[in-house]
Amino acid sequence: AQSVTQLGSHVSVSEGALVLLRCNYSSSVPPYLFWYVQYPNQGLQLLLKYTSAATLVKGINGFEAEFKKSETSFHLTKPSAHMSDAAEYFCALGNGGYNKLIFGAGTRLAVHP
Amino acid sequence: DAGVIQSPRHEVTEMGQEVTLRCKPISGHDYLFWYRQTMMRGLELLIYFNNNVPIDDSGMPEDRFSAKMPNASFSTLKIQPSEPRDSAVYFCASSGSSYNEQFFGPGTRLTVL
Repeated sequence: AQSVTQLGSHVSVSEGALVLLRCNYSSSVPPYLFWYVQYPNQGLQLLLKYTSAATLVKGINGFEAEFKKSETSFHLTKPSAHMSDAAEYFCALGNGGYNKLIFGAGTRLAVHP
Repeated sequence: DAGVIQSPRHEVTEMGQEVTLRCKPISGHDYLFWYRQTMMRGLELLIYFNNNVPIDDSGMPEDRFSAKMPNASFSTLKIQPSEPRDSAVYFCASSGSSYNEQFFGPGTRLTVL
């Protein structure tokens, strides 16, 4: 069965510190993987996507993620956190495309001064 | 473009009442998705349409839920009768093709008393 697991429902970092949000997946077919961000009272916005072209994917707002097949992981990182990064982040798995997305439970990122 | 538009943004109703949520996708997008977000179950795909035709409604929780897309610029999600456990944020999203990202609307927060 296909699934997405996000480790850590809450992550707190200091401004300027490294951000690392973890995502592991299970898929019987080559996966499409996504990271979305949700700011309070807003819809989800795509940060980046992996579609097998390159294992290191760069997204918006300085975020990037690395696909590691051996570890079935797609962790999201940002070298230096900014206060505006505080939001909820969702990892998602596409089943044969972008349509039937399976979302992880989400990780709420807090950034403190 | 105005993005995906949803109305109302907030809905409070009493158990047993009919609820209708509305969505206007981005012009030119062929795919439309309805999601539900709750604390307990996270973000779930309810149904999606391609060219106004329902393709997969396996996520619709029960017969009380129905969705229609009478034309390319309008879709509704109806709950009749509503129950307190339907309280959630309902998102509509649209995309240009099977391999384009989904753009999310701001959501409708539904509270059933």
